[in-house]
Order: sequence, then C-alpha cells, then structure tokens
Amino acid sequence: QVQLVQSGAEVKKPGASVKVSCKASGYTFSTYGISWVRQAPGQGLEWMGWIGTNNGNTNYAQNLQGRVTMTTDTSTSTAYMELRSLTSDDTAVYYCARGGQYCSGGFCYEYFDYWGQGTLVTVSS
Amino acid sequence: DIQMTQSPSSLSASVRDRVTITCRASQSISTYLNWYQQKRGKAPKLLIYAASSLQSAVPSRFSGSGSGTDFTLTISSLQPEDFATYYCQQSYSTPKTFGQGTKVEI
Repeated sequence: QVQLVQSGAEVKKPGASVKVSCKASGYTFSTYGISWVRQAPGQGLEWMGWIGTNNGNTNYAQNLQGRVTMTTDTSTSTAYMELRSLTSDDTAVYYCARGGQYCSGGFCYEYFDYWGQGTLVTVSS
Repeated sequence: DIQMTQSPSSLSASVRDRVTITCRASQSISTYLNWYQQKRGKAPKLLIYAASSLQSAVPSRFSGSGSGTDFTLTISSLQPEDFATYYCQQSYSTPKTFGQGTKVEI
C-alpha cells in the first residue's frame, strides 16, 4: 500500500534551518511528483511547492522563494524539504503529499491523493 | 494567485442531516477543484477530485458539483465520522491554493 512516512518533530531557534524528510513506499517513486503543504496551529492549509521526482524540477510558492529548497533521493525514494531563516511564523505541521493525476478528454487534473503523517516544526527562542 | 473562499466557515448539524458546503474561486478554474476532509490531528484525506469525481473508497454519501467559479460539496446523510473540517483546493494554476476550511460540528 502507498505510504509516505515523514521524519520526526523538530524544535528550532529563530534564524536556523530545518530539513524534513518524506520516505515513499508502495509505488514507483519517480512516477508521481511530491508537494509540500504546511498548516500553522489552528489555521488552514498552505501549499509550499512541488518537486518532480523524475527530473528534480521545482515550483515554489512565491512567499517562500529563496528560503525553501525541495530535493529528492530516488535511490531511497525520499523527498526532502529544507526551510531556512526560520521565524515564529514558520511554526507549523509540515506535510508531504503525492501528486496524483487523472486525465480525461485531453485534460489532466491534479490532486493530493496520499499524505504523510505530518511533521511538527516549532520555532522558538 | 487564485483565491478560494468557502462558506460557511463552520456549521452545526446532526446525524443524518444533508450538509452542503460551497467554495468560490476568484477566477474561473473550470473543474480543477478538489475537496479534502481533515480530522483533528490528522493529515487531510482526498474526497473529491476534478470537481465531481469520487476518490476510491470514499463513501457515496459524499458528492461534488460545479464548474467555473462556484462549487459544492454535499454530504447526503451526515454520519458521526463525518464531523471534521473540509477544504477545497484549486489545481488550475500554481500556487495550488486552498479555501480557509469549513468546520462541521455536532
């Protein structure tokens, strides 16, 4: 069965960096892209960006450009998300999600069909 | 960026009620619209993709409709396990924005 297993909770000081991992199993890793989505405490969902697992292409949310880097290691079917220059506003649960796709009539519809369990990142002095 | 606005932000309902949640996009997104359910402390779960297609293993009491800018998620007969927060999300363009969520409470 498809699973995305993320690394454990992190506590970081302001200005530090964090790197969260997402290990995929149960499917061919390079067939589906991976997106990262975060959720601040009591808030909604925010899409952070996407990485193509077959070619490493990335697309980041404008508000995170320059602070975020998404990478993959296809040998271990693992995706990574690194966020730098952390502030308290980055305190959130970070999710990885597989990018599924349905194509019909020449149109392709994307969605997040499998999610990791989430990684809590707390930024506090 | 495309803004997604859900209404209501929260609602109270009883078991076996019919529940409708709406989602409006700030510009036309055809049917590039997904719905997710999130329970407290858990990751979101895909319910509906492409506005009206039911994800595998999702109960048929969930349905989606709409196109362009206006969309609806309907739960035909609310069950105890359906009390959760629901999010719409557009996949028409990046950033892949979400609505603010609708909390369905008892």
